[in-house]
Amino acid sequence: GAGVSQSPSNKVTEKGKDVELRCDPISGHTALYWYRQSLGQGLEFLIYFQGNSAPDKSGLPSDRFSAERTGGSVSTLTIQRTQQEDSAVYLCASSPGTSYNRIQYFGAGTRLSVL
Amino acid sequence: DQQVKQNSPSLSVQEGRISILNCDYTNSMFDYFLWYKKYPAEGPTFLISISSIKDKNEDGRFTVFLNKSAKHLSLHIVPSQPGDSAVYFCAASVFGGGSEKLVFGKGTKLTVNP
Repeated sequence: GAGVSQSPSNKVTEKGKDVELRCDPISGHTALYWYRQSLGQGLEFLIYFQGNSAPDKSGLPSDRFSAERTGGSVSTLTIQRTQQEDSAVYLCASSPGTSYNRIQYFGAGTRLSVL
Repeated sequence: DQQVKQNSPSLSVQEGRISILNCDYTNSMFDYFLWYKKYPAEGPTFLISISSIKDKNEDGRFTVFLNKSAKHLSLHIVPSQPGDSAVYFCAASVFGGGSEKLVFGKGTKLTVNP
């Protein structure tokens, strides 16, 4: 069956360049989340979408980070002027978004390396 | 300040024995708890969850116990198998308030030896 799909799986970029990471959630899931995992750390929340709106952006680390979701489906996380500390695995998850089913299903992630 | 803590970075057990992974939390507003398993280069895979209205949930070889007064949960795997070797993450969430984000611990690497 179709799970959460993320692209690219790996991205190497130079410091100062912009990058776009894509997430295609499970069909019908209204809730979409972005997390990142830095080396040796747990998963850190970045942003939450319900439909196309983002009621919780509290985890975005700086204004260089932004995300959008269109058509209640695909989401793009954009990092402008990348820095070396942005290197991490960026994970996307989707969920039915109901109180009785709060399980989040994750994609395989995008490993970002900023040189 | 870490709201979800997994104090053991690693655990090693023999095949067939019980694995017990522990997790502590500080936020009494958490009402839903999940365990995920993660293999290298893959995303976390959901294992089992428990609502704060329960103190135990069982699914095959996996059982999660919740002690609300101690703000502690544990995952028991019986019997442990070599394929269970992975990093296990504990996560918690609060429903409502505009976000159902998961707050994760740093993980425990489980190694099951044949």
